[in-house]
Amino acid sequence: SQQGEEDPQALSIQEGENATMNCSYKTSINNLQWYRQNSGRGLVHLILIRSNEREKHSGRLRVTLDTSKKSSSLLITASRAADTASYFCATYSGGSNYKLTFGKGTLLTVNP
Amino acid sequence: ETGVTQSPTHLIKTRGQQVTLRCSSQSGHNTVSWYQQALGQGPQFIFQYYREEENGRGNFPPRFSGLQFPNYSSELNVNALELDDSALYLCASSSRQGAANEKLFFGSGTQLSVL
Repeated sequence: SQQGEEDPQALSIQEGENATMNCSYKTSINNLQWYRQNSGRGLVHLILIRSNEREKHSGRLRVTLDTSKKSSSLLITASRAADTASYFCATYSGGSNYKLTFGKGTLLTVNP
Repeated sequence: ETGVTQSPTHLIKTRGQQVTLRCSSQSGHNTVSWYQQALGQGPQFIFQYYREEENGRGNFPPRFSGLQFPNYSSELNVNALELDDSALYLCASSSRQGAANEKLFFGSGTQLSVL
């Protein structure tokens, strides 16, 4: 079953614009992560935010987490055509196995 | 490049057949997880192996089974293939079992088509 739900399902912007994707989840979490996937291949880890953190930055990425609303957002600033990919949020809710529960993803298209 | 390699990259099978997918984890990683990603969906957890033992399983039937070897590489076996098994199968490695705040390193996946 999917834990997270990304919004929007698809996003199309021009190069240089900012892209914002949202993720909502259902149960309490230890951390939330964002991954990127190019053309249905392997996922690449972008950023991890712990449940006791509210905001985190990495390069052009900014992630926020609101545990009271069970939601997160990923902001990509000054987007480039190479940022075109699917973006997934994934949650870790604790437990002896490190199982991540993924949402359905947002397909981001950055037009040159 | 994550250092996680999967083989084969593509596979076509017919319903009822059996398939074995392989994964070599990143150097230094002792934990391997397998995920199934159907078209247009996010990855779903199949199971995880830590030090050659299954360490957690998702909502998949017993015909999905796995192995982990002493060098921490892993296999995913699927028996009695069904059409709905058509998906991208992803292997992910990590350095510690059950470690919080741990990121996963994914391979490029095996695209399985069941006809």
